[in-house]
Amino acid sequence: AQKVTQAQTEISVVEKEDVTLDCVYETRDTTYYLFWYKQPPSGELVFLIRRNSFDEQNEISGRYSWNFQKSTSSFNFTITASQVVDSAVYFCALSEDGTGGFKTIFGAGTRLFVKA
Amino acid sequence: DTGVSQDPRHKITKRGQNVTFRCDPISEHNRLYWYRQTLGQGPEFLTYFQNEAQLEKSRLLSDRFSAERPKGSFSTLEIQRTEQGDSAMYLCASSLGMTGISGNTIYFGEGSWLTVV
Repeated sequence: AQKVTQAQTEISVVEKEDVTLDCVYETRDTTYYLFWYKQPPSGELVFLIRRNSFDEQNEISGRYSWNFQKSTSSFNFTITASQVVDSAVYFCALSEDGTGGFKTIFGAGTRLFVKA
Repeated sequence: DTGVSQDPRHKITKRGQNVTFRCDPISEHNRLYWYRQTLGQGPEFLTYFQNEAQLEKSRLLSDRFSAERPKGSFSTLEIQRTEQGDSAMYLCASSLGMTGISGNTIYFGEGSWLTVV
């Protein structure tokens, strides 16, 4: 069965600190996709990144970077030099191949507070 | 803006009343999803459509809930005889609906907040 665990409920940092959000997943499939979404106070879930299970290359996009490690079933998200605008709830999600997305399941989310 | 749009954004209703939410997906997406999100939780899958066909329903979707997508474009989610436990944000999402990395990415609307008093 699929499962996504985000053990950190809330994280509070001061602006310009680096912060890592943890995500651990479970799946029996060999082909699957991992996602991170951001949910600001306005409520909309904003897609940030997807990775497929065959691509373990880390990815960097500006201040955001993602570390995918199949050996530990983890897909962690790091924000470098955090800013107040990064304050939001971040969700990690998992989708197995063959479902076209409908079985995307989400973790409970990590609420990030960035203080000025 | 060609993203997923939802209406209304907020709805306050008395217990026992019926409410209906509308979702307009991204135009080239043939899959449409409804999720529910309560405070402190991630989105939970309710149902999805491939074009006009409703292909999967979660056990969370009681018989008071009905969703339609009559022409394979917009969708409505109706909740009959609302209960206080129905208070949540109802999220609509869409995807290309094919396997592979593109099809497995779902894009969300801003959500419709429901408060049942």
